[in-house]
Amino acid sequence: DQQVKQNSPSLSVQEGRISILNCDYTNSMFDYFLWYKKYPAEGPTFLISISSIKDKNEDGRFTVFLNKSAKHLSLHIVPSQPGDSAVYFCAASVWDGTASKLTFGTGTRLQVTL
Amino acid sequence: DAGVTQSPTHLIKTRGQQVTLRCSPKSGHDTVSWYQQALGQGPQFIFQYYEEEERQRGNFPDRFSGHQFPNYSSELNVNALLLGDSALYLCASSLGQGVGKLFFGSGTQLSVL
Repeated sequence: DQQVKQNSPSLSVQEGRISILNCDYTNSMFDYFLWYKKYPAEGPTFLISISSIKDKNEDGRFTVFLNKSAKHLSLHIVPSQPGDSAVYFCAASVWDGTASKLTFGTGTRLQVTL
Repeated sequence: DAGVTQSPTHLIKTRGQQVTLRCSPKSGHDTVSWYQQALGQGPQFIFQYYEEEERQRGNFPDRFSGHQFPNYSSELNVNALLLGDSALYLCASSLGQGVGKLFFGSGTQLSVL
């Protein structure tokens, strides 16, 4: 049962344009959402997060939007740069009072072209 | 400041063998989580260690076990290896059990032949 879904395996965007990466989830208990970026031969690196009590969080060129009613979140990158080319993972978690784990999507490969 | 370090980086084993992977958390972190990333998939949670105890476990069989040492470093052991265990094994550290922001190592690529 894939509780976090990234339905677009890949995305190509021109440098300077907006990149929009989408993520859907099915578990309404998720209360914290994160985006990670992964380059080849490296571990995922944290990009931005959002709590379920918010609907938007911004950090420089990166903005995450959360639509709880639709169980959907998106990552906007503006403007896109060639160095943004990587695999982006959406992740979600539930705090159960003793520990927390991340449930990841399958990733979207972003390619930013010149 | 050293980040999360994992060893070895690559490993080749045969079916039925046992393997031990090692992880040193980022300085100041006390919680270690292990994830398995199969080709083309996102990382899947194996388990989390805090205060030398397994605190939460994902949907993995008992062949997967772990340990956390007093210095917060951790080991992942897999017994009776199967071909399907071939994957990238990622260690992540954090301060406290809340997920917060996990810091990942570069992983150990395990190939089971």
